[in-house]
Amino acid sequence: ETGVTQSPTHLIKTRGQQVTLRCSSQSGHNTVSWYQQALGQGPQFIFQYYREEENGRGNFPPRFSGLQFPNYSSELNVNALELDDSALYLCASSLVTFPDTQYFGPGTRLTVL
Amino acid sequence: GDSVTQMEGPVTLSEEAFLTINCTYTATGYPSLFWYVQYPGEGLQLLLKATKADDKGSNKGFEATYRKETTSFHLEKGSVQVSDSAVYFCALSDRAGGGSQGNLIFGKGTKLSVKP
Repeated sequence: ETGVTQSPTHLIKTRGQQVTLRCSSQSGHNTVSWYQQALGQGPQFIFQYYREEENGRGNFPPRFSGLQFPNYSSELNVNALELDDSALYLCASSLVTFPDTQYFGPGTRLTVL
Repeated sequence: GDSVTQMEGPVTLSEEAFLTINCTYTATGYPSLFWYVQYPGEGLQLLLKATKADDKGSNKGFEATYRKETTSFHLEKGSVQVSDSAVYFCALSDRAGGGSQGNLIFGKGTKLSVKP
């Protein structure tokens, strides 16, 4: 059984640019959530996708958007990057039978210069 | 809104010492509670969980009991090893926050260093 994978591992962008991060869910999981983890902090919920629809959102502006595909993989898009967007972005997937238990990928480290 | 408060770190212990990391929560409903561990340079790994009051989660020698009366979920281990050095996060599932599956609300994390 393959776990949650994310790409790329690291990314460097400049202010104002746009970025797309990718996530492949663990096999059989139909829900994907994205979190932002700033240095030295706990992860903050960005949004969740279930059956290709956004299904819950945290306190993040609309320039953070996402997609979920029929194979349950997902993308996080961030437009008009700001310095404060520098963080580790974590993707998590969950089984329909154990919805509260989320399994995390290794994350993508985004640096905005 | 719902929130999680963890004891501040870092925590430094000698090998075989007893570990306690305190965690308290505020929630309007009846959340599930979790401990996640993050090793250097890695993502989060689920360590243990409890879904209702008085449940005890356990894994790899770690334990935590869901105490509704004190709104706590303290993490304990009787004898830590050097390999336990990591950052530990307490979290709750926020069903009131939306989403059919519930999103997680995390504490700020407690860094544990175990010396040989």
